[in-house]
Formats: sequence, structure tokens, C-alpha cells
Amino acid sequence: AQSVTQLDSHVSVSEGTPVLLRCNYSSSYSPSLFWYVQHPNKGLQLLLKYTSAATLVKGINGFEAEFKKSETSFHLTKPSAHMSDAAEYFCVVSDTGGFKTIFGAGTRLFVKA
Amino acid sequence: DVKVTQSSRYLVKRTGEKVFLECVQDMDHENMFWYRQDPGLGLRLIYFSYDVKMKEKGDIPEGYSVSREKKERFSLILESASTNQTSMYLCASSRDRPLGGNEQFFGPGTRLTVL
Repeated sequence: AQSVTQLDSHVSVSEGTPVLLRCNYSSSYSPSLFWYVQHPNKGLQLLLKYTSAATLVKGINGFEAEFKKSETSFHLTKPSAHMSDAAEYFCVVSDTGGFKTIFGAGTRLFVKA
Repeated sequence: DVKVTQSSRYLVKRTGEKVFLECVQDMDHENMFWYRQDPGLGLRLIYFSYDVKMKEKGDIPEGYSVSREKKERFSLILESASTNQTSMYLCASSRDRPLGGNEQFFGPGTRLTVL
């Protein structure tokens, strides 16, 4: 069975400081892992994905995530937050076929000026 | 660019009404999905379809049905709407990638209110 836990429902950072959004997953096989972002009143957009290639994955807008199998984690990071990063972020795990897809509850990121 | 469109951004219906939510994608994707999004719960899969006329139940199919008569169109049907179906409904599509990594492309969502 698969599951995904986003460890923080809300994260608040100051502009220019690092961002860390935490995600732990559980899967009985090699999963595909994704981070999506949802800006207010907008659809979900893919930030990055892991599919058993490089464990450090780079995405759009300066975000990256590292797959750590031993810790069953896939945390999302960015060195320097921008105001435009304020949004809700979802960590997602899916099986190889992409049908059994489990979304985390979401982490809302606030960026202070 | 993949485009997934949903027929309405906002919809208000009454309890007991039959409700149709339509979704169309223009990239010839094999797979299509319906989710509902509720605060604190993330997205939960209602139904998905991997081919025309094929459908599979997701995690919360009760009270919903779906139809996929054409590859590009996937409809969600609420047979008799109830107030607990008030939610944001998101449609998505993806290409078949047997080795994984098949990201989903999402529509803008339909916010349904059932009175």
C-alpha cells in the first residue's frame, strides 16, 4: 500500500531565505514521486518528478528535491524564497503505471516581505 | 502545451439534482482522472479511465459515476447531488508511460456548491 505524509500543513518564510517542505512516503515497490504546486485560483502544475534515475531532482523555478530511500523522504527545497512562491504544494506518490496516485494533504507556503 | 479544460469554473446545484461535470483534453492522452479537493485532505481520486469506455474506481467512488465515450472527453456524473459533495473537482490527464513518471496535467477545477 502507498501513502504520503506532508509533515507541515503551513510553512512561513521570509523572502530570500531557504524553503524546506517535508514529505515522507510509504510504498511497497519503487515509486514515482512528484511535487505539484497550486497557486490561488489556478490549476496544479508539476514542479518536478523522480522516476528512479538521479536521486537529486531539479525542477522549475529553482526548486529541487532529493529522494532518500533509507529515510523514505522526498523533501522539496529552494535556496531563496520569492514572493511568487506563495502557494500550496502537494507531494504525490504513484505506482509505475501511474494509476494509483496518492496526494499528500498539502503544505501552504507563506512568504513574508 | 497540454490543455485540459473543464466545462464550468463555478456551479451551484440543489440537493437531488443530477449534475454533469465535463472535462476535455487536447493532447491525445490515454488516461484521464477525476479528483475532489477538500481543505486538509489534499486530492482524492474518484474515478480514472485508461481507455475509451474503460473506467476504474478510485478511492471515493460512492455517489459518482463516469463516462468516457471519446478519448478526449471524460465526464463525472453526480446521480443525485448531496450537500457533502460540495467541493472543488479537478480533472487530469496523462500519457501512458509503462516505466513510470507519467505526470498528470490538470484542468483549472470546478467549484461545485450543493444547496
